[in-house]
Amino acid sequence: DIQMTQSPSTLSASVGDRVTITCRASQSISSWLAWYQQKPGKAPKLLIYKASSLESGVPSRFSGSGSGTEFTLTISSLQPDDFATYYCQQYNGYPITFGQGTRLEIK
Amino acid sequence: EVQLVESGGGLVQPGGSLRLSCAASGFTFSSYWMSWVRQAPGKGLEWVANIKQDEGKVYYVESVKGRFTISRDNAKNSLYLQMNSLRAEDTAVYYCARVDYDGSGYCDSWGQGTLVTVSS
Repeated sequence: DIQMTQSPSTLSASVGDRVTITCRASQSISSWLAWYQQKPGKAPKLLIYKASSLESGVPSRFSGSGSGTEFTLTISSLQPDDFATYYCQQYNGYPITFGQGTRLEIK
Repeated sequence: EVQLVESGGGLVQPGGSLRLSCAASGFTFSSYWMSWVRQAPGKGLEWVANIKQDEGKVYYVESVKGRFTISRDNAKNSLYLQMNSLRAEDTAVYYCARVDYDGSGYCDSWGQGTLVTVSS
């Protein structure tokens, strides 16, 4: 199985900050990576697919990059609505696997 | 607007069974792969199963193989998850999700989830 490791597990930041979350795959997954945002008690929401493609309706302050085994999600200027937990997911093959999540909290 | 509404969750004893349903609307259900993803209380997301449009292919996470069965009824726009031999570690919110149109594997729409609690 492909293991997905996110770092950091928790990130404290302020409104207006630029933040980056990293996701590493245990083997190459090409660009078959998605990012999701989840708020407490809510379903996940797709942000990015194929490593760098922005889902329709998602603000442009979100961006994704990377290929192979190392990927990043960047939020260019944090907004109050962005404080949530973020997950990466590989879909290079089965079983599909998620990272353990990165909780983005207000500093 | 895409809508996915799960139902069927509840409290069940270890070793018991439960059938989850997901009613889909707002899109051509028969054209999409579908997925079940779960989240144990306070934990991260875990993919459970995927099913192709015509049920020709199904995939499961190892921990549920032989116990869970994913199925669909395209005429009823419905997705199902039959869960047998339930264990305490199956306790989670179960989400129904639509897989992207190309069937790559990421989920572009999610239901609100239904809670399954396995406890005596």
